[in-house]
Amino acid sequence: GIQVEQSPPDLILQEGANSTLRCNFSDSVNNLQWFHQNPWGQLINLFYIPSGTKQNGRLSATTVATERYSLLYISSSQTTDSGVYFCAVEEGGADGLTFGKGTHLIIQP
Amino acid sequence: DAGVIQSPRHEVTEMGQEVTLRCKPISGHNSLFWYRQTMMRGLELLIYFNNNVPIDDSGMPEDRFSAKMPNASFSTLKIQPSEPRDSAVYFCASSRTSLTSEQYFGPGTRLTVT
Repeated sequence: GIQVEQSPPDLILQEGANSTLRCNFSDSVNNLQWFHQNPWGQLINLFYIPSGTKQNGRLSATTVATERYSLLYISSSQTTDSGVYFCAVEEGGADGLTFGKGTHLIIQP
Repeated sequence: DAGVIQSPRHEVTEMGQEVTLRCKPISGHNSLFWYRQTMMRGLELLIYFNNNVPIDDSGMPEDRFSAKMPNASFSTLKIQPSEPRDSAVYFCASSRTSLTSEQYFGPGTRLTVT
């Protein structure tokens, strides 16, 4: 099956810093989503982005499908951004998401 | 609109007991997915339905696990008998179509089997 690798696995930043999270995948995909799992365990949809670039406030994402990677940018980090960020993909012709292991982000005040 | 609804939010049971987890997808969504999250294995797909029909259950760990979707607004995941290694957070998700469609997740059910 498809492999999803996220980096870095852990990231500690001061409030106000910017960060870039990366997701590499091993095959072509029909679907790519970024999620934020908050400290209460809830999975929050950030972006549905199988290709191209999207922005939502301080967050933006870019997927280069031909090169099989996606990037999530967080600018001006806030403590509420802390949590685990997951990249998940759905292979062409298959259903159900395959998740990466996530990036654990801690924003310190 | 209400999101994906799951119940119960927490379940503690003894080994050998039957456990039933419930999910109500977002109205109008045709696909429903069950996932499990553990520290060891991360988030993994168990089974998914399209128009109430199970499409792929290859992720179901063993015969003790079963899932049903009797109608478009309700699904259950049953474990019988439960074992301590089944302890995990179980998520239900739904999407509008089965292909190339954004999935929305419920709050999850945290299951503890003692």
